[in-house]
Amino acid sequence: DGGITQSPKYLFRKEGQNVTLSCEQNLNHDAMYWYRQDPGQGLRLIYYSQIVNDFQKGDIAEGYSVSREKKESFPLTVTSAQKNPTAFYLCASIGAGENEKLFFGSGTQLSVL
Amino acid sequence: SQQGEEDPQALSIQEGENATMNCSYKTSINNLQWYRQNSGRGLVHLILIRSNEREKHSGRLRVTLDTSKKSSSLLITASRAADTASYFCATRAGGGNKLTFGTGTQLKVEL
Repeated sequence: DGGITQSPKYLFRKEGQNVTLSCEQNLNHDAMYWYRQDPGQGLRLIYYSQIVNDFQKGDIAEGYSVSREKKESFPLTVTSAQKNPTAFYLCASIGAGENEKLFFGSGTQLSVL
Repeated sequence: SQQGEEDPQALSIQEGENATMNCSYKTSINNLQWYRQNSGRGLVHLILIRSNEREKHSGRLRVTLDTSKKSSSLLITASRAADTASYFCATRAGGGNKLTFGTGTQLKVEL
């Protein structure tokens, strides 16, 4: 089936540790996004990439890093500089001719030990 | 910063009633979209309305857009328990592919 796969579903981070969240899509979409969602709140844009080997900071990029070496993959690293990483992380993509709508993965819940 | 603010934050209705939620935004937009999120899951696209459109329908969904007031509303008619979810508006401004989401409305439909 075509779609976006995020893994793992649950992730725990120790203090001072970097962790990487995986996002893979087989929709042949050019643009991919990472959003952070805090309990009872909306989505805030962390990073986005419109094409391979290119990405831009969103509204809350500090403490996060990304790479886009392949069209299918857009991993997000939560670094030790992110002091409040506990949140629900959502990956999304959009493709040309998709009527401009975002397709979302099922999310990763990150918690701090 | 979040472009949209939804109102109300939470809404509880009985099955069969209509549910209306509103979204206000701050800057000019190309289009406005509504998404649904079940608890602990990703978002699912519901409907898109362009800045030159005033109303759009999709099944039991009706969306209106008032660009002069920078606001939109989503109406779900004849609600069902399965409609229980959070609903978010999202706006696209300018020529890029960046979508900015509102704070969401939590809808609970009771039997």
